[in-house]
Amino acid sequence: GQQVMQIPQYQHVQEGEDFTTYCNSSTTLSNIQWYKQRPGGHPVFLIQLVKSGEVKKQKRLTFQFGEAKKNSSLHITATQTTDVGTYFCAGPRKDNNDMRFGAGTRLTVKP
Amino acid sequence: NAGVTQTPKFQVLKTGQSMTLQCAQDMNHEYMSWYRQDPGMGLRLIHYSVGAGITDQGEVPNGYNVSRSTTEDFPLRLLSAAPSQTSVYFCASSSFRGAAGYTFGSGTRLTVV
Repeated sequence: GQQVMQIPQYQHVQEGEDFTTYCNSSTTLSNIQWYKQRPGGHPVFLIQLVKSGEVKKQKRLTFQFGEAKKNSSLHITATQTTDVGTYFCAGPRKDNNDMRFGAGTRLTVKP
Repeated sequence: NAGVTQTPKFQVLKTGQSMTLQCAQDMNHEYMSWYRQDPGMGLRLIHYSVGAGITDQGEVPNGYNVSRSTTEDFPLRLLSAAPSQTSVYFCASSSFRGAAGYTFGSGTRLTVV
């Protein structure tokens, strides 16, 4: 079945450094969503990408959807301690609405 | 505040006990789902519902039952708790097209001893 793989599993950066997490699917996705989960919290929706090659920005966060709609990335410029958490990508199963989540990338930021 | 409400927040069960995790949303979302989260494994779908009266299995349904008698409520029942069901459980809802993403509840941390 469709799987969504995320790398890396962990990333530790110095405050001010950039950070990127990658999401890859075994099948073409109709859309991809990104979520952030703070330690001890629940996942919070960040964004959805739908179009091939789409790029969206939210302040220091840049989201990309690959041309083949099988991969996506989230890039954070100049990380801050408030960026700490686990970032998940999620893609829908082919025939319905439910989303399958990647294992997540856990980001820690050293001040 | 509008959103997804889960109860309880914490629960300890003995092996073999049964219990129901409650989930309610007030956003009139058609779609609701239950996930479990275990370290290093992300969020795995247990059951989901596309509307009142309709439920279906996700990736890891064994040992769990659900029902959807109203749009607002989607309880998850553990039939006979096992230590392997120790996890954090999240309920989520979305409009059917999901373009605004899922709204998650704050979670239930369940320990089975």
